[in-house]
Parts: sequence; C-alpha cells; structure tokens
Amino acid sequence: DVKVTQSSRYLVKRTGEKVFLECVQDMDHENMFWYRQDPGLGLRLIYFSYDVKMKEKGDIPEGYSVSREKKERFSLILESASTNQTSMYLCASIPGLAGRFNEQFFGPGTRLTVL
Amino acid sequence: KNQVEQSPQSLIILEGKNCTLQCNYTVSPFSNLRWYKQDTGRGPVSLTIMTFSENTKSNGRYTATLDADTKQSSLHITASQLSDSASYICVVSGVLNTGNQFYFGTGTSLTVIP
Repeated sequence: DVKVTQSSRYLVKRTGEKVFLECVQDMDHENMFWYRQDPGLGLRLIYFSYDVKMKEKGDIPEGYSVSREKKERFSLILESASTNQTSMYLCASIPGLAGRFNEQFFGPGTRLTVL
Repeated sequence: KNQVEQSPQSLIILEGKNCTLQCNYTVSPFSNLRWYKQDTGRGPVSLTIMTFSENTKSNGRYTATLDADTKQSSLHITASQLSDSASYICVVSGVLNTGNQFYFGTGTSLTVIP
C-alpha cells in the first residue's frame, strides 16, 4: 500500500523560528512536491523536486527552502517563520516521466500555526 | 492562462440525495483530469481519472463525466452518505516536455446532513 507520511500533523511555532517539515514516501517515486492549502485559494505549489538534490521553485517559493538528500525524503524549511505562513502544508509524490496518467499521492498534511 | 474553476464553492444536501459538482478548465495542452476527495484534516485521495478519450467513468456512487470540447467535467454523487462530507478537488494535468503540470481547483465543500 502506497504511503506518504509527514512528520507532524499539528505544529505551533513562534514568529522568527526556523521550522522543518519532513515528508517521506515509500514508493520509490522520483518526483516530490510541497503545497500549502488555504481556504478559498486551494493548493498552491511551493517547491518540487524531480530527483535527489534537484529542486525547482513553484508558484510561491518566497520564504521557503527545500532539501532532498535522499530519494524518499523531501524537507520543507521555513527559515524565519511568519504569521502569514500559518497554513496546511501538504506533501505529494508521483512516479517519474514514464506514466503521464500517474496519480499524485498526498500525505496527511501538517497544520502549522505561527504565533 | 491555465485555470481550473469549480462550482459551487459549498453545498449542503440531505443524506440520500444526489448532487453534482462542476469543474471548468482552460488548461492546454490537456493530459488528464482527476477528482480528489479530501476529508477534513487529511490529504486528498484520488477518486477517478478522466483522459481525453473518456466521457464517463464510475467509481461506486461517484460518476465523473468529461466533455473535452467544452472543457467541462462533473462529479455526480448518488444516494449521498454522511461520509461523503468532504472537500472535492478537481485537478487538471497539462503536458510539458518535462512531465505533467498540475492545476488545482479551489474545491467544493460538501456537507451531507441527516
């Protein structure tokens, strides 16, 4: 059974703190994604990675960075958390280019609150 | 501009009733369209995928349609149950040389009441 796990379901941090969100997938997928989800805005892509040590900016990368040192793990880093980064963060993975109709598998999400 | 629009934003129906959710898109070139169900506090889970050549596909009480000419899709839920209460997200994949690009609708929030 495919599985994408995220390190925390709920997280509360203070403004200015450095925050690490971890995502692990056990499906040997090449591509991994970080989204944030806000009411009325839907899912917005922050960063994605198509291979180890490779990363690409999504639509809203400002204030975030990512790390992919191993194929199964994709980390999202908030260098200095701000209140406008309070959101639901979703990680997803998908196999490589071989299948155009491949499904994105999502993790359960991390609800981050920045005070 | 590639966009995906869903309607209605929210919907409340009585248990046992049917409902239809709409998704209109302008994504081109088109690869496929997926409907996801997202329970509160959970990640989205795929219900069904529609490709260019498919008009209708069923998954239990869920039936999706696709009209590639008008770029519209619908998700019909039959005999709704309380467990159908969730957000339903339409995701359209466009084709790039590097793979698929995903475009998300903002979702329809469905509440089924007893």
